[in-house]
Amino acid sequence: DADVTQTPRNRITKTGKRIMLECSQTKGHDRMYWYRQDPGLGLRLIYYSFDVKDINKGEISDGYSVSRQAQAKFSLSLESAIPNQTALYFCATSENDRIYNEQFFGPGTRLTVL
Amino acid sequence: AQSVTQPDIHITVSEGASLELRCNYSYGATPYLFWYVQSPGQGLQLLLKYFSGDTLVQGIKGFEAEFKRSQSSFNLRKPSVHWSDAAEYFCAVGARRNNDMRFGAGTRLTVKP
Repeated sequence: DADVTQTPRNRITKTGKRIMLECSQTKGHDRMYWYRQDPGLGLRLIYYSFDVKDINKGEISDGYSVSRQAQAKFSLSLESAIPNQTALYFCATSENDRIYNEQFFGPGTRLTVL
Repeated sequence: AQSVTQPDIHITVSEGASLELRCNYSYGATPYLFWYVQSPGQGLQLLLKYFSGDTLVQGIKGFEAEFKRSQSSFNLRKPSVHWSDAAEYFCAVGARRNNDMRFGAGTRLTVKP
């Protein structure tokens, strides 16, 4: 089984709809992240969480919200989706350590907003 | 904040040829540096990372990278490319004080038979 899973893998929705993307991990990591990937822009950090009670905005948090339901679960919500949120979304995890650690990525969720 | 530039959007090499992918970073202190690979339809996999010490870093799949502070570069190399290396490659720089990691735009590698 994959260590970092994302659901759904693909989603098509309409402008104005509320969408939730879910991420689960079995790695036992405290830190979790949400990124979006756009062609020519690489990955940009949306939100990150160092533990269940710690949520931080990333580079591009406007229009998004997150929920850390448990150590293993981190959800990303689009309250009112718009077409420029069409992108590939990745969840990632890392250990909670003083030394900067490798991030482990899920397979991605491809979201299309019409 | 730190930033990363990957000057080459797309590179084509012949199978068996050598490869060098360029990465330049901007950061006020010694950074954490990473190279990730993304195969089609897959997530990102770490190839190698640099934190400190030896500036030539060995990674998986026969890749290596060299940190050059004077040039603010962290170029990825492989002496002989295999068809399975066709993928998109991302360089990333992390700040030592937090978990803010910035990715380059990526370089897509095509391998010719």
